[in-house]
Amino acid sequence: DAMVIQNPRYQVTQFGKPVTLSCSQTLNHNVMYWYQQKSSQAPKLLFHYYDKDFNNEADTPDNFQSRRPNTSFCFLDIRSPGLGDAAMYLCATSRGGRYEQYFGPGTRLTVT
Amino acid sequence: DQQVKQNSPSLSVQEGRISILNCDYTNSMFDYFLWYKKYPAEGPTFLISISSIKDKNEDGRFTVFLNKSAKHLSLHIVPSQPGDSAVYFCCQTGANSKLTFGKGITLSVRP
Repeated sequence: DAMVIQNPRYQVTQFGKPVTLSCSQTLNHNVMYWYQQKSSQAPKLLFHYYDKDFNNEADTPDNFQSRRPNTSFCFLDIRSPGLGDAAMYLCATSRGGRYEQYFGPGTRLTVT
Repeated sequence: DQQVKQNSPSLSVQEGRISILNCDYTNSMFDYFLWYKKYPAEGPTFLISISSIKDKNEDGRFTVFLNKSAKHLSLHIVPSQPGDSAVYFCCQTGANSKLTFGKGITLSVRP
């Protein structure tokens, strides 16, 4: 089945220790998104790639970076995680021009 | 400032009855609305959508109604089933294809 895969599902990191979350997809979609969802809040878009073009949201902290080495993979790097970065991180994909996005199961990040 | 508002955090209905999930929005520039359903430990999955040129879209047990003048949409599930118990997100998008989510509403369908 075509799908969006996120690894790991649960990640624990220490305050200030860089961490990378990964996302892969078998849907061959050209757009990939990263969302942050904190408890009881709406998912919030951090950035997205349209093909190789990176689009950062204006209020995404500089602490968050992303890489997309190829169509299938996208990474979220948090350079110096703070306690406030503990959240669920959702990866999504879409075919350019279509509104529906397809989500992975998410990675729950804990910062100790 | 929330652009998509789901003011009720939870809803409980009896199996077989209708579930009505409400959503309000503030920005009329974005013209497409989607509902996503999320089970615990899974990502959101697309459920149904509606374009602003319509006022109703139906897919099986699920119907979405759009009232543009009131900037309000609602998702009707009838009849409700226990497997419908999940968190439902109302989303808005437009030409930029970016989704703006509401906070979600937790639906519980009692057997």
